[in-house]
Amino acid sequence: SQTIHQWPATLVQPVGSPLSLECTVEGTSNPNLYWYRQAAGRGLQLLFYSVGIGQISSEVPQNLSASRPQDRQFILSSKKLLLSDSGFYLCAWSGQGAYNEQFFGPGTRLTVL
Amino acid sequence: DAKTTQPPSMDCAEGRAANLPCNHSTISGNEYVYWYRQIHSQGPQYIIHGLKNNETNEMASLIITEDRKSSTLILPHATLRDTAVYYCIVRVDGYGQNFVFGPGTRLSVLP
Repeated sequence: SQTIHQWPATLVQPVGSPLSLECTVEGTSNPNLYWYRQAAGRGLQLLFYSVGIGQISSEVPQNLSASRPQDRQFILSSKKLLLSDSGFYLCAWSGQGAYNEQFFGPGTRLTVL
Repeated sequence: DAKTTQPPSMDCAEGRAANLPCNHSTISGNEYVYWYRQIHSQGPQYIIHGLKNNETNEMASLIITEDRKSSTLILPHATLRDTAVYYCIVRVDGYGQNFVFGPGTRLSVLP
């Protein structure tokens, strides 16, 4: 069966510090991978998605970046965090075929102070 | 922007059916209707999806109107663990397509 991992679960960082969140998927090959952010009390905002190694599409301009160094690894980064980067970050994967519903990880709660 | 509208909150008695409505009047012919739910501080959980026909799985049933402008998610026997925010999403099924989540419906199952 497939599983998706995210770490850390929670993170408190000062403004201006760098960020690296990691997501890995097990039990599937060549998945589509996604990063979402959920602000408190709001729906999910798609940040990045990737259809393959080294292929990243950005949905929202921001100071965040994403990378996919391996097939089942997706990393969300920032060189300098802003207060507005606080939120709940979710990684998800989907299969490549039709009816490709997305399966979400447990999330990382980031607080920027 | 989300292409769906849902009531912000609903209550349901434990053991009764929970019927969650969703309007998607601008849905395109190639867009599917998806339902997810999210329990506080956890990642969203896939529930069900469909295109035209009604669908049923072990979690829920999805009823889509003939004109596809609205749908209803049915949890046949709601339990306290079904308390969550439920999201209705329409999207094209395909390679690298993204989801747009709106505010959803907060379902409270009451004992």
